[in-house]
Amino acid sequence: EVKLVESGGGLVKPGGSLKLSCAASGFTFSSYAMSWVRQTPEKRLEWVASISSGGSTYYPDSVKGRFTISRDNARNILYLQMSSLRSEDTAMYYCARRYGSSYYFDYWGQGTTLTVSS
Amino acid sequence: DIVLTQSPASLAVSLGQRATISCRASESVDSYGNSFMHWYQQKPGQPPKLLIYRASNLESGIPARFSGSGSRTDFTLTINPVEADDVATYYCQQSNEDPYTFGGGTKLEIK
Repeated sequence: EVKLVESGGGLVKPGGSLKLSCAASGFTFSSYAMSWVRQTPEKRLEWVASISSGGSTYYPDSVKGRFTISRDNARNILYLQMSSLRSEDTAMYYCARRYGSSYYFDYWGQGTTLTVSS
Repeated sequence: DIVLTQSPASLAVSLGQRATISCRASESVDSYGNSFMHWYQQKPGQPPKLLIYRASNLESGIPARFSGSGSRTDFTLTINPVEADDVATYYCQQSNEDPYTFGGGTKLEIK
C-alpha cells in the first residue's frame, strides 16, 4: 500500500524558514517523480515543486528561489525547504506522487499545515 | 499560465441523478494525441483523490459511475448516478504546460 506521511509544519514568522518532510512507503520511491502541492485556506490547490527520479527540480515562479525540493532515496524521504516565507504561503502542504510523463498526482499524503504570521 | 475555470462553483443533485461538472482551459491542454487534463475528488478533511487521468481514463478502483470527456479546452466530469458518498469538491488539473494548474473546484451536494 502506497503511503505518504508529511511532517514539519508549524507557525513561522514572515521572512522565516521551515523544512517539510514526507516519508514514503509501499512503492519503489527512487523510481518515481515526487511533488509538493499546497491548498490555501480558500481551498485553492497550487503546485509548489516537483523532483524527478533523477533529481531534476521544477518550480512555479511564485516559489522559485525561495523553496527547494530534494529527496533522499536511501531513506525514502522527500523534503521541501522553504525560506523567505510570506503570509501567502500559509496553506496545507501535501506530498504527492507524480505519475509518469502524464504528470498527474496519483497518491497524496494527508498533509501538514504551514501558517506564516507575526 | 493556463487558467482552468470550473463551472458551476456548486451544484445540488438528487440521489440517482446525473451530475455534470465543466472545466474550461484558457488554452489547449492537448499534446501528442493526448489531453493532459485530470480530475480529483476531495472530501472534507481528506487529501484530493485521483478519479480520471488524461481526460477520460478511469483510475483503478474508481467506480464506473465516474466518467470524463473532452479535448483541447473543454472538459467534463460526469457522475451518473450520484450517490450520497459523492458529496465532495471536485477539481480539474492540467499538466500539459508548466506550471501545472488546478481549477477552482466544484462543490457537489445532495438535493
